[in-house]
Amino acid sequence: DQQVKQNSPSLSVQEGRISILNCDYTNSMFDYFLWYKKYPAEGPTFLISISSIKDKNEDGRFTVFLNKSAKHLSLHIVPSQPGDSAVYFCAPLSGTYKYIFGTGTRLKVLA
Amino acid sequence: NAGVTQTPKFQVLKTGQSMTLQCAQDMNHEYMSWYRQDPGMGLRLIHYSVGAGITDQGEVPNGYNVSRSTTEDFPLRLLSAAPSQTSVYFCASSSPGQPQHFGDGTRLSIL
Repeated sequence: DQQVKQNSPSLSVQEGRISILNCDYTNSMFDYFLWYKKYPAEGPTFLISISSIKDKNEDGRFTVFLNKSAKHLSLHIVPSQPGDSAVYFCAPLSGTYKYIFGTGTRLKVLA
Repeated sequence: NAGVTQTPKFQVLKTGQSMTLQCAQDMNHEYMSWYRQDPGMGLRLIHYSVGAGITDQGEVPNGYNVSRSTTEDFPLRLLSAAPSQTSVYFCASSSPGQPQHFGDGTRLSIL
């Protein structure tokens, strides 16, 4: 049974608009969450994180929101740019070292 | 600073052949891990290591072996390649509770 679900395999957004990527998890013990971005033929790269003691973390155009009661987090990108077109993975930390990756959402930002 | 280096980048094998995927990191990270990425499946953990001499199984370990004789290196061995092991393989490393750094992947095809 998947512990981390990204139910939208793909998303298309116009340049300049907001992109919202969602992630749901089942394990209430997760207390640290990361978002990774992946371009074709490259490894994933870390984008932004949030601890369970917060409900929001912002870094430039990227904001992650955490709703612990709903076991849901979302990544907002505003304004979206063509260079943001990539696959995005959410990854809660399980224990000290192990990350559990979602299935990913492919974002396409249309110019 | 090379980060995480994976070799080879591409490999084609015949069913039943064995091979080793190499992974090296120069960041003195304790934790190293191997993932495979398949369409619609996200990144699935194969094996991981929390330090030299210590390894453990992840979500999909069957058909793979690992060892960790040094902090820097974490090779992944395919014992007898099967078509189901056709995938893109990523190696990652991190310090405790920190984001993982990924290599650029090895694209493996088993005929």
